[in-house]
Amino acid sequence: EAQVTQNPRYLITVTGKKLTVTCSQNMNHEYMSWYRQDPGLGLRQIYYSMNVEVTDKGDVPEGYKVSRKEKRNFPLILESPSPNQTSLYFCASSTDITDTQYFGPGTRLTVL
Amino acid sequence: GIQVEQSPPDLILQEGANSTLRCNFSDSVNNLQWFHQNPWGQLINLFYIPSGTKQNGRLSATTVATERYSLLYISSSQTTDSGVYFCAVERYTGANSKLTFGKGITLSVRP
Repeated sequence: EAQVTQNPRYLITVTGKKLTVTCSQNMNHEYMSWYRQDPGLGLRQIYYSMNVEVTDKGDVPEGYKVSRKEKRNFPLILESPSPNQTSLYFCASSTDITDTQYFGPGTRLTVL
Repeated sequence: GIQVEQSPPDLILQEGANSTLRCNFSDSVNNLQWFHQNPWGQLINLFYIPSGTKQNGRLSATTVATERYSLLYISSSQTTDSGVYFCAVERYTGANSKLTFGKGITLSVRP
């Protein structure tokens, strides 16, 4: 089954404790991206990747890191999480930016 | 950057009613998609429609690229249509490329 998976789905952590949210797709897509969704603000792009080893900042990259060492995986890293990073996070992938985007199920992160 | 405005922000319908959701964007785009976010938070792609008209069951969408708007039509609405509808656009510049979302339209369909 074609899908985008994210782990964990839910996470409660404390300020400053490094964490990684994994994202994996099995559709051989080249384009992958991360979004955060906050009430009243809709979805905002954090980082995106056009292909392996090619990443770029989206609208709200501060406090986040990403890597793209393999085509299928695009982890989101929070080196020192803060409460303002409490949000619902989505990973997405597509053949390229001009094509249909497929979203993962979301990761609800709470930083205390 | 490109601006995306959706209207109305909230919509309440009685089951069986029809509705039209609108998305306006501020510049020409290469990519326009409609998404439905169900009450459990899952985002489902409804249409990829940078121009023209498409239909899928009770849903259809029309994008008039020259006038910078897109419409999503829901006919004979059902309670399962409830959720948030997002329009997202992309203007490919060759160097940087990203999808910009509107703030969404919250639809509630009552039985």
